[in-house]
Amino acid sequence: SYVVTQPPSVSVAPGKTARITCGGNNIGSKSVHWYQQKPGQAPFLVIYYDSGRPSGTPERFSGSNSGNTATLTISRVEAGDEADYYCHVWDSSSDHVVFGGGTKLTVL
Amino acid sequence: EVQLMESGGGLVQPGGSLRLSCIVSEFPFRSYWMSWVRQAPGKGLEWVANIKEDGSEKYYVDSVKGRFTISRDNAKNSLYLQMNSLRAEDTAVYYCARVSGLGAGGQFDYWGQGTLVTVPS
Repeated sequence: SYVVTQPPSVSVAPGKTARITCGGNNIGSKSVHWYQQKPGQAPFLVIYYDSGRPSGTPERFSGSNSGNTATLTISRVEAGDEADYYCHVWDSSSDHVVFGGGTKLTVL
Repeated sequence: EVQLMESGGGLVQPGGSLRLSCIVSEFPFRSYWMSWVRQAPGKGLEWVANIKEDGSEKYYVDSVKGRFTISRDNAKNSLYLQMNSLRAEDTAVYYCARVSGLGAGGQFDYWGQGTLVTVPS
């Protein structure tokens, strides 16, 4: 079955740019969605279909997807962005949803 | 405001059964794929099952196939997850989520707050 890989953790200083990757074989041919989850809360959609931004997502959040890597980019990082982030892919060959293992974003 | 509310979680012995429910409001339930996603304590998200708008297509993660059944009642705006032969590794918070976009591959744009299922080892 299809596997996607995220780094367990990413650290960034406030005001800098954080990049969280989601790696998978030819993931650029698939659609990737991204979720933010804060402790004790349900996940929250921040990016859909690689780069779409829901109305509640700040413009500082952006997404891209090409080759073997999809990337969630958070510009001008704020303390409130500290959370776990998950990528989500639909594997049409197995009719399975696949989540990445999650990346804990720490704001220094 | 779109709302999803799960219920039915609790403590169940290994081998036992539990039925989770998710009642939704403020959107046309019959027009959306729906999904169950779980999260074991301190772990990441794991997709469990998807169901098509009319219930004609259902997909499951391999670890629950044959034990769990996803279903829906569009007249009652309700989604269900029947869980049988429960194991310790099924212990998790179970979320229902609305699937938007293109079919089963769409994004989960609304989530419930989750219900905890505990199966002791």
